[in-house]
Amino acid sequence: GAVVSQHPSRVICKSGTSVKIECRSLDFQATTMFWYRQFPKKSLMLMATSNEGSKATYEQGVEKDKFLINHASLTLSTLTVTSAHPEDSSFYICSAGTSGNPYNEQFFGPGTRLTVL
Amino acid sequence: AQSVTQPDIHITVSEGASLELRCNYSYGATPYLFWYVQSPGQGLQLLLKYFSGDTLVQGIKGFEAEFKRSQSSFNLRKPSVHWSDAAEYFCAVVSNFGNEKLTFGTGTRLTIIP
Repeated sequence: GAVVSQHPSRVICKSGTSVKIECRSLDFQATTMFWYRQFPKKSLMLMATSNEGSKATYEQGVEKDKFLINHASLTLSTLTVTSAHPEDSSFYICSAGTSGNPYNEQFFGPGTRLTVL
Repeated sequence: AQSVTQPDIHITVSEGASLELRCNYSYGATPYLFWYVQSPGQGLQLLLKYFSGDTLVQGIKGFEAEFKRSQSSFNLRKPSVHWSDAAEYFCAVVSNFGNEKLTFGTGTRLTIIP
């Protein structure tokens, strides 16, 4: 149980285009989803927290207009990188949690490697 | 604010040798504690977690960790490592109040030599 998927696993795009990454909870309802960014050989940096049906809460320094997050259902959250540039190239990981989980445990997706040319 | 320190950036261990990865946290109360492993280009896999109770917790792949409140530590151990254990290991904490954010350590890269 508690499986989270991400799609696509890898994406290469041209500079200036937008890219959408999907995060799905396959066997549970995710009231909260988190989006992380990971630079090479670095730890995970939380970008934003999204709750189903409401606006995402972005961490300081994360551009909300560049990284659009939508959590339209209890099983799906999307991250759209708008007008992507080479500096947006990174590994993006989502995680999901449930309000019924008393231990604040998050379940992680396998990640999406974004390369912007 | 809570923080997590993993003092060892990179550790090299011979296959079959024992392993201990250090993790120290800073938090006003006892948080919930996790160890994750990440293979290159992959997502995070949960090795084990501590919420309460027995301070020695067992995880997958033969790993265990011991919570020591007096030292604010949650070190990960394995008696005998395998070449497949080579990966990046992250310690993480989350508040035990409400639905709050995970704080990750900077990670420890484990290299296994034959």
